[in-house]
Amino acid sequence: EAGVTQFPSHSVIEKGQTVTLRCDPISGHDNLYWYRRVMGKEIKFLLHFVKESKQDESGMPNNRFLAERTGGTYSTLKVQPAELEDSGVYFCASSQGRGLPAKTQYFGPGTRLLVL
Amino acid sequence: AQKITQTQPGMFVQEKEAVTLDCTYDTSDPSYGLFWYKQPSSGEMIFLIYQGSYDQQNATEGRYSLNFQKARKSANLVISASQLGDSAMYFCAMRDPASLYNFNKFYFGSGTKLNVKP
Repeated sequence: EAGVTQFPSHSVIEKGQTVTLRCDPISGHDNLYWYRRVMGKEIKFLLHFVKESKQDESGMPNNRFLAERTGGTYSTLKVQPAELEDSGVYFCASSQGRGLPAKTQYFGPGTRLLVL
Repeated sequence: AQKITQTQPGMFVQEKEAVTLDCTYDTSDPSYGLFWYKQPSSGEMIFLIYQGSYDQQNATEGRYSLNFQKARKSANLVISASQLGDSAMYFCAMRDPASLYNFNKFYFGSGTKLNVKP
C-alpha cells in the first residue's frame, strides 16, 4: 500500500512568487492534515480536512496560504505571494476514521521550501 | 502555551546501549494520545509508537518502549540495543483531546537529534 506522497520534494523560489505544494494521502483516508516546520522549531499544525471540507484551519498563518482538497482526494497548498519567513518543511499527513479520533497520522516525506 | 516539551536537542549513545529520549506534555483533558515519530536524514516521518492516556500498560513495539508516567505528564521513549540506523531526529507528539472541531490536531515537540556511535 502506497504511503502519503508529496510533490515536489524541494522548491526554491524568490520572494513574491507563487508555489503550490501537493499531497496525496493514503487511499481511503478521509482525514488530511498539513503541518509546517520552520528551521529549528517544532512542527506546527496548519489545517485539517475531512474529505473535501476544512475541519480546522486555525493554524494557517495568513491569507497568503490557500489549501484545497477538491473531491476529497489529493490536496494542494498554495502560497501566494511567498515571503522569506515561509521557508521550511511542509508535511502532509493522513489518517483513517471520519468522526473518530484516529490513533495514528501517517506522514509524507515533506516538501522543503526555500524562499530567497 | 507549549504543549509538548523535549528538553534534549541532541543526544549521543554508544551502539548496542539503551537510550531514553525525554518528553513531557501539558493537558488538562483526561483523554489524549501520545506518539513518537522518527525522522531520518532522508526526511520522511516514521511512526514508532503510540500510548493512549487510558492504556494501563506502557506501549512497546520491538526495541521501542514508552515510559508513560501519567502523574508526571511524561512519555519518554526508550530505545534498547541502539543501532547505527537509529541515528535520526525523534519527535514526540500529542493528539489534541477529543473535541467537536479539532480532535485530530497534533502538537509536536521541537525534537531530539540522536546520534548512535559505533
